[in-house]
Amino acid sequence: GAVVSQHPSWVICKSGTSVKIECRSLDFQATTMFWYRQFPKQSLMLMATSNEGSKATYEQGVEKDKFLINHASLTLSTLTVTSAHPEDSSFYICSATSGSRHEQYFGPGTRLTVT
Amino acid sequence: GQNIDQPTEMTATEGAIVQINCTYQTSGFNGLFWYQQHAGEAPTFLSYNVLDGLEEKGRFSSFLSRSKGYSYLLLKELQMKDSASYLCAVRDTGNQFYFGTGTSLTVIP
Repeated sequence: GAVVSQHPSWVICKSGTSVKIECRSLDFQATTMFWYRQFPKQSLMLMATSNEGSKATYEQGVEKDKFLINHASLTLSTLTVTSAHPEDSSFYICSATSGSRHEQYFGPGTRLTVT
Repeated sequence: GQNIDQPTEMTATEGAIVQINCTYQTSGFNGLFWYQQHAGEAPTFLSYNVLDGLEEKGRFSSFLSRSKGYSYLLLKELQMKDSASYLCAVRDTGNQFYFGTGTSLTVIP
């Protein structure tokens, strides 16, 4: 099956610092990657969609200057949370699809805590 | 845009059958997905329907009616480990996915 990894699995950072989260498709080429955020006991909230080599498309209400997404290759996308604040503490999940696969494959998620 | 509705919570007894419904309104449709998510973990894929009818996969089955904008996930022979959140998601013709808020299923002895 298709495997998507995320790194780190959890991170604690101080308010005002930036954190980078990596999402990798390990055994397939991901033409599209999605970034979600999930607060406790709530559903997934799509933040942005990124296609390899092009700028990410952000959902309404998501600040693109705060959540920087780079999809530099067909196997790697990164999400950088800049100037993190405690309200950015959440579970961040990436997923990936490719043209030959009809479903999304989710990474294991990254739990971010901003103190 | 897309509008996807599913019940917030359900409770069922171990060994029983439970049906989780999902209704959707879309401007374009290219498949409906069901995912299972345990607390603190990422979602895992359960099923995919793009044509009308029932797809069976072991204890789990999923049904789709495109004309009615309706799907359900059927779980048979419930086990305690089936306690989780079940997410209905619709993909549009632009390969964008839209998730429902999820149904939290609690299986009781």
